[in-house]
Amino acid sequence: AQTVTQSQPEMSVQEAETVTLSCTYDTSESNYYLFWYKQPPSRQMILVIRQEAYKQQNATENRFSVNFQKAAKSFSLKISDSQLGDTAMYFCAFAPYPQGGSEKLVFGKGTKLTVNP
Amino acid sequence: DTAVSQTPKYLVTQMGNDKSIKCEQNLGHDTMYWYKQDSKKFLKIMFSYNNKELIINETVPNRFSPKSPDKAHLNLHINSLELGDSAVYFCASSQFQGAENEQYFGPGTRLTVT
Repeated sequence: AQTVTQSQPEMSVQEAETVTLSCTYDTSESNYYLFWYKQPPSRQMILVIRQEAYKQQNATENRFSVNFQKAAKSFSLKISDSQLGDTAMYFCAFAPYPQGGSEKLVFGKGTKLTVNP
Repeated sequence: DTAVSQTPKYLVTQMGNDKSIKCEQNLGHDTMYWYKQDSKKFLKIMFSYNNKELIINETVPNRFSPKSPDKAHLNLHINSLELGDSAVYFCASSQFQGAENEQYFGPGTRLTVT
């Protein structure tokens, strides 16, 4: 069974600074997807960034980038130029490669990020 | 346009009652899911349906019964509600064998059992 571990229950950062959220996972699969989801106080789950395991290049979406280390099973999220609107719970998630509807997301326990003015 | 919608968004009810949560997606996806987020914010899969067929059924009490009348709808019916059922329930959808395997989430339904 796959597991996802987020070792930082809470973090804080000053506006405009950079912060990195950690995530490690365990799987015997060779091909899979990794995601970071953001859940602001509105509770809507918003996809921040995704990474396909077979791609060597780290994914980037504007101020958000990942450091994907497949051998180490590590998938950290870096937020640059933090903004007040980045305040939210961040969830790391794992999904196996599509196989007929069994692509459940396995979530970590989340990191609560607070961006301070 | 709302991609994945859930009704109601808030549900307060007493122990022992039966309640339903409805989910609809207009993305043309063929796979839908129910997740439960507990009071500690932990999200866990409950069910998934692909083309109206049950694919994933995690260790969920029999009091929970999903129903998928068509690909665009996945409802969750809960019998004999218990205090421990209080949580936020999220519906999500994705496209089977979609290249990106992205799941789109609804806004969640906060269920409070008193």
